[in-house]
Amino acid sequence: NAGVTQTPKFQVLKTGQSMTLQCAQDMNHEYMSWYRQDPGMGLRLIHYSVGAGITDQGEVPNGYNVSRSTTEDFPLRLLSAAPSQTSVYFCASRNSGQRSSYEQYFGPGTRLTVT
Amino acid sequence: AQSVTQLGSHVSVSEGALVLLRCNYSSSVPPYLFWYVQYPNQGLQLLLKYTSAATLVKGINGFEAEFKKSETSFHLTKPSAHMSDAAEYFCAVRGGGFKTIFGAGTRLFVKA
Repeated sequence: NAGVTQTPKFQVLKTGQSMTLQCAQDMNHEYMSWYRQDPGMGLRLIHYSVGAGITDQGEVPNGYNVSRSTTEDFPLRLLSAAPSQTSVYFCASRNSGQRSSYEQYFGPGTRLTVT
Repeated sequence: AQSVTQLGSHVSVSEGALVLLRCNYSSSVPPYLFWYVQYPNQGLQLLLKYTSAATLVKGINGFEAEFKKSETSFHLTKPSAHMSDAAEYFCAVRGGGFKTIFGAGTRLFVKA
């Protein structure tokens, strides 16, 4: 199993540009989420999904969109990039059954710089 | 509401010394608690978890943590630090709904 994969690893955008961060998992996990990591702030939840076709907002959703058309993929779209979105972005997944221990599996991250 | 507080954004120990990373939590439901480790330029990986079984939980790489309900704590320890333990460590708690709440992280430095 590849686990959780993310592309690209690095990206530089100009203010106002849009882009999509890709995330895929091959563990058949129903629950997927996007976090951003900023120094001293831990991980903050952007959006999450509990299954194909179902998404919801997290703590810091403004400026981001998501969709979940398949169990495997959960892309994150930046609509109009701003310098405040410079961060490291992590995708994570876990199973969500009644026996779930809530353990999450993380991708390697995407480092995004907005100039 | 659930929350996590990690005491100390940076901890420095000498190689071979005890590692103690502190975590206190708040939870309105029986907590599931986690410690994750993040090595430089990598994603997070699970070190250990508490899910209402034994209060002393052993994880990978010689780490362990003890759940203390009376103190609402879940501190992470390792008897003898190794240079390879240098990383950032995150405490986390099961949140409401489907979410996990993360602490701000503690960066561990290990001196030779």
